[in-house]
Amino acid sequence: QKEVEQDPGPLSVPEGAIVSLNCTYSNSAFQYFMWYRQYSRKGPELLMYTYSSGNKEDGRFTAQVDKSSKYISLFIRDSQPSDSATYLCAPLIQGAQKLVFGQGTRLTINP
Amino acid sequence: DVKVTQSSRYLVKRTGEKVFLECVQDMDHENMFWYRQDPGLGLRLIYFSYDVKMKEKGDIPEGYSVSREKKERFSLILESASTNQTSMYLCASYKETGANVLTFGAGSRLTVL
Repeated sequence: QKEVEQDPGPLSVPEGAIVSLNCTYSNSAFQYFMWYRQYSRKGPELLMYTYSSGNKEDGRFTAQVDKSSKYISLFIRDSQPSDSATYLCAPLIQGAQKLVFGQGTRLTINP
Repeated sequence: DVKVTQSSRYLVKRTGEKVFLECVQDMDHENMFWYRQDPGLGLRLIYFSYDVKMKEKGDIPEGYSVSREKKERFSLILESASTNQTSMYLCASYKETGANVLTFGAGSRLTVL
């Protein structure tokens, strides 16, 4: 079983839609839950992260973690064409040297 | 602005050639990584280094080697390039904190003919 599973998409939605991106993981020791965003022909950049369970909001973006079901979500409200990118989830154990990444979900927001 | 710089954005090499991919970071980070990224497979870790002259194998080290002679520089070497090494290569680094946030370079797209 892979440590992190993420639907690779692609996902295409109209501008203004609410987008839900999801990952599942198998290792209950994960403590940090990162979301990276990667634009075409660029390297990934950290979008936001949460520690342990719960929600974290940053503008139009909300990261949510449910440790009981080992489920990670990223919600984008009022999606914009500039949100078109690949989104990668990356759970992490504090102190671990290696990160594990989901496959990445390719998202397109259509004007 | 902190940076990870990959010297070559696009390379085309022939099968059997030796290939060097260079990565330099200016953030005094201890940890550096090389990933490859392929459609449908996501990011896969090739090698990483947590200190000068130290290296650790990642998930797919076969066919690759690395060198870290200075803290800021981490090189990926393909001793004899093969067509199945055609890929996007990403270098990244982080400093030890609670959440080890990776800073990535822009990537090096390698095509092996």
